[in-house]
Amino acid sequence: GENVEQHPSTLSVQEGDSAVIKCTYSDSASNYFPWYKQELGKGPQLIIDIRSNVGEKKDQRIAVTLNKTAKHFSLHITETQPEDSAVYFCAASNYGGSQGNLIFGKGTKLSVKP
Amino acid sequence: DGGITQSPKYLFRKEGQNVTLSCEQNLNHDAMYWYRQDPGQGLRLIYYSQIVNDFQKGDIAEGYSVSREKKESFPLTVTSAQKNPTAFYLCASSLTGGGLNTEAFFGQGTRLTVV
Repeated sequence: GENVEQHPSTLSVQEGDSAVIKCTYSDSASNYFPWYKQELGKGPQLIIDIRSNVGEKKDQRIAVTLNKTAKHFSLHITETQPEDSAVYFCAASNYGGSQGNLIFGKGTKLSVKP
Repeated sequence: DGGITQSPKYLFRKEGQNVTLSCEQNLNHDAMYWYRQDPGQGLRLIYYSQIVNDFQKGDIAEGYSVSREKKESFPLTVTSAQKNPTAFYLCASSLTGGGLNTEAFFGQGTRLTVV
């Protein structure tokens, strides 16, 4: 089955700097890669996703890149702000397969210092 | 408002007791999921259901049971057989389990504590 590794587990940056979180996956059939943000005591919320037919996707200060050959994908946050502080999860799934459920990484706790 | 609702937010259980966590969605989603979250462990899949009256075990189903009698509801029972039930439980739903749109919407979670 699919296995998703996420690094780093914690990340501290200064306000205004960029943050990068990386994930690798094992199943070459995976074709959907979302990123979730979880604030303390709340459920995760989707912030951006990418499908395997695209190499990069941007939404304002957030971007995701996908390298299918190397089986890794990354989240990039530019001009970080204190409200970006949260736990971020990557995930992978094969939405055309028999299950289609998401397999999550273990999360990255991002702290943005003012 | 459309969304996915979990209740209660906090739940305390005595050892040896079964307890049921509620999850309701009004998004007309076919698929529903239960995840368990422990510190440093990420989200681990307990059970999932892609259609009414059908469900499958996830990675850590032992000690848990579910039902899917209605499209909107997917309750999770934590049984006394679950050795370490204290955790944060998250319910999610998506439009289809194996279709093109698999964005998962999460509830706000239930924190279960065994006392």
